Parts: sequence; structure tokens; C-alpha cells
Amino acid sequence: EAQVTQNPRYLITVTGKKLTVTCSQNMNHEYMSWYRQDPGLGLRQIYYSMNVEVTDKGDVPEGYKVSRKEKRNFPLILESPSPNQTSLYFCASRAGQGNGYTFGSGTRLTVV
Amino acid sequence: GNSVTQMEGPVTLSEEAFLTINCTYTATGYPSLFWYVQYPGEGLQLLLKATKADDKGSNKGFEATYRKETTSFHLEKGSVQVSDSAVYFCALSEGTGGFKTIFGAGTRLFVKA
Repeated sequence: EAQVTQNPRYLITVTGKKLTVTCSQNMNHEYMSWYRQDPGLGLRQIYYSMNVEVTDKGDVPEGYKVSRKEKRNFPLILESPSPNQTSLYFCASRAGQGNGYTFGSGTRLTVV
Repeated sequence: GNSVTQMEGPVTLSEEAFLTINCTYTATGYPSLFWYVQYPGEGLQLLLKATKADDKGSNKGFEATYRKETTSFHLEKGSVQVSDSAVYFCALSEGTGGFKTIFGAGTRLFVKA
């Protein structure tokens, strides 16, 4: 089944403790992206990647890092999480321009 | 910069009513336009898309037409069902390279039996 898999689904952590949210897709898509969803703000793009080793900042990249060492994986790293990063995070992938995204099921992160 | 504006919700309809959710956009070049749907506790799912002016996207009884002259991409359905209750997002993918996808704030739809 074609899908984007994120882990974990739920995570509660403390301020400053480094964490990684994993994302993997099995569709051989070139484009991958991370979004955060907050009430009243819709989805905001954090980082995106056009291919292996090619990444760029979205609209809200502060406090986040990403890497794209393999085509299928695009982990999101929070080096020092803060409470304002409490949110619902989605990973997504798509084929070329003009194609829609396939989204993962989401990761609900709480930073206390 | 590019942006997407959707009508504010929630929208509450009775079953079999006609649905319209307005979406307008601001973009340079020729973006692709999308509607996504999000059911409770799930990720977004692509509902339909249109990649050039006057294209009509359609799926599961939903339709939207890419109107460049009015920079709009309104979502319509002739007869909604309770199972259509969800949040609907309009989005655009920037034309040049299409690397960034920008989403509207979402419109929640409630359909009553």
C-alpha cells in the first residue's frame, strides 16, 4: 500500500530534550515536506526537500532541522524543543510539479 | 507573497443540501490548485486538483474549477452526506518549480441528518 509513515503518533517531552520524528514513504517520490498544524492557523510548511541532499526552509523553520540522506526518509529534528513547538506535525510526499501530496497520519507533540 | 484565503467556518448543512466553500488565491505565475479533506484524527487526503486555467477537478461528487480571471477555486457538491463532515483545505503549489505548497486555514463542515 502506498503510504507515508510517521513515528511516533504521540509524544510528550520536556523542554530542551532533543527528539526526532521519523518519516518514510514507499512511493519513490522526489518531494517531501514537513508541516505543522495549529488551530486557526491551518498548515504551515516547516521544511521541504526536492531530492536527496536538497532541502530548503519553509515558512516556519526556526527551531527545526531536517536531513534527506535517502530518497524514502525525511526525519524532522528538534534539537532543543520549547513549549511553542507543541503542535500536530505532518509529513507529506509527492511526485513532480502539479501533483498533490500524500500525507502521513500525523504526530501530536507536546513539550512541557 | 502567495496566499490562499478560504471562507471561515464552520459551515452547517442538512443532508442533501448544496455545498459551496469559497477559495481565492494570490500567486505569481501559474500555480496548481488543490482541495484536501481531513477527517477527525487523520492526515489530509487529496480530494481533487486542477493544474491550469479553466480545468475542472472532480472526485466523489465534489467539483472545483480553476478560474484565473477571478483567482478562485471554489469547492462545490450538489448533495452532501453526513459522511462528508470534515475539514476542507484549499491549497496552491507555486508554479515555478512548484516546490512550496501553501494551504488555506481550512473550513469545517458539519452535515446534519
